[in-house]
Amino acid sequence: TQLLEQSPQFLSIQEGENLTVYCNSSSVFSSLQWYRQEPGEGPVLLVTVVTGGEVKKLKRLTFQFGDARKDSSLHITAAQPGDTGLYLCAGAMSASKIIFGSGTRLSIRP
Amino acid sequence: NAGVTQTPKFQVLKTGQSMTLQCAQDMNHNSMYWYRQDPGMGLRLIYYSASEGTTDKGEVPNGYNVSRLNKREFSLRLESAAPSQTSVYFCASSEGPPFSNQPQHFGDGTRLSIL
Repeated sequence: TQLLEQSPQFLSIQEGENLTVYCNSSSVFSSLQWYRQEPGEGPVLLVTVVTGGEVKKLKRLTFQFGDARKDSSLHITAAQPGDTGLYLCAGAMSASKIIFGSGTRLSIRP
Repeated sequence: NAGVTQTPKFQVLKTGQSMTLQCAQDMNHNSMYWYRQDPGMGLRLIYYSASEGTTDKGEVPNGYNVSRLNKREFSLRLESAAPSQTSVYFCASSEGPPFSNQPQHFGDGTRLSIL
């Protein structure tokens, strides 16, 4: 069974701090997506990374795809309470398979 | 500006009852998906559909059936509900072929409890 492991599972930090969450697998992905989910809602796409080593920035969020396309990281600079949520990564393995990680639940304290 | 609409939002069933979860999208997307989300397990794919009239099994299809009625609608049916099917169910859609680089757009989920 292919797994996509996210770490940490839970993270609670003070507003203004920086943080990094990770998404790791032994499998190679053709692309990897990061989603953010708020309580009572469905996930919303943040970014898609396709090329090994790719770095994408979305305001204070920086996403990196590993060189071997097996892992990814999400770095948030100067976290704000509005960043609170469940962060999910999802790896596409083929035309018929996608796997989601179990998520990192992030809480930013004012 | 509805996107993906799921009904109902909440449902409680008794073991053995049947029900259909409805999903409709207004974005003219080809691909549609059904997932279940359980604590600590992320989203798991139940079934997906690449186009009207076609459906394929995902990771956890047992106990479920689906129907792609037309391009807009993709329904999920539980024929005989079991407590193990208690979960939050999400429908999603995307442009182009399934599992391409296109983003999946999710509904707000159906919270289903089986007693």
